[in-house]
Amino acid sequence: SQTIHQWPATLVQPVGSPLSLECTVEGTSNPNLYWYRQAAGRGLQLLFYSVGIGQISSEVPQNLSASRPQDRQFILSSKKLLLSDSGFYLCASPSPGRNTIYFGEGSWLTVV
Amino acid sequence: AQSVTQLGSHVSVSEGALVLLRCNYSSSVPPYLFWYVQYPNQGLQLLLKYTTGATLVKGINGFEAEFKKSETSFHLTKPSAHMSDAAEYFCAVSLSGGYQKVTFGTGTKLQVIP
Repeated sequence: SQTIHQWPATLVQPVGSPLSLECTVEGTSNPNLYWYRQAAGRGLQLLFYSVGIGQISSEVPQNLSASRPQDRQFILSSKKLLLSDSGFYLCASPSPGRNTIYFGEGSWLTVV
Repeated sequence: AQSVTQLGSHVSVSEGALVLLRCNYSSSVPPYLFWYVQYPNQGLQLLLKYTTGATLVKGINGFEAEFKKSETSFHLTKPSAHMSDAAEYFCAVSLSGGYQKVTFGTGTKLQVIP
């Protein structure tokens, strides 16, 4: 099975500062990758998904962007954070044929 | 397109009582359905999943869910709640055969009262 690593695990950033969250996947090649955000009272919201290097689809308009520089690397970024960007960010990847979605440990972002 | 509705953002049960967390879905094609659990300050963990075949699915920690196509439901149950079951539970749906998108419900926080 595949393993997903995310870092940093927690982050406190001031409004207007940049953001970079990194996700890497082990145990598979050419995975589909997702970024989800869990905001208080709103459940899990799909932000971006990627089916390959350089291929990014955005689900909701927002202050964030994503990039996939390598096959098993997925990065979530912002040039200037807003208070509303606070939340719990999860990187995820499905396992085709095994009907399972794997998640990273998550990254807690607090914008102050 | 698919969507998921979880009825009740907070559910409280007594220790030893039945746990019932409700999930209804909509999907234009046969769905894959999942329940995930999130313990405090942790990521998501798969509890169980339905893809095809038997409609009653058993998962970890004594949980099970039944896929009812006529009711478009996938409710999660456990006969006897344990204190360690206190967590947030997410129902999710994915179009069968495709993993481009998984849609999650807004979650239900389960409180277990001693």
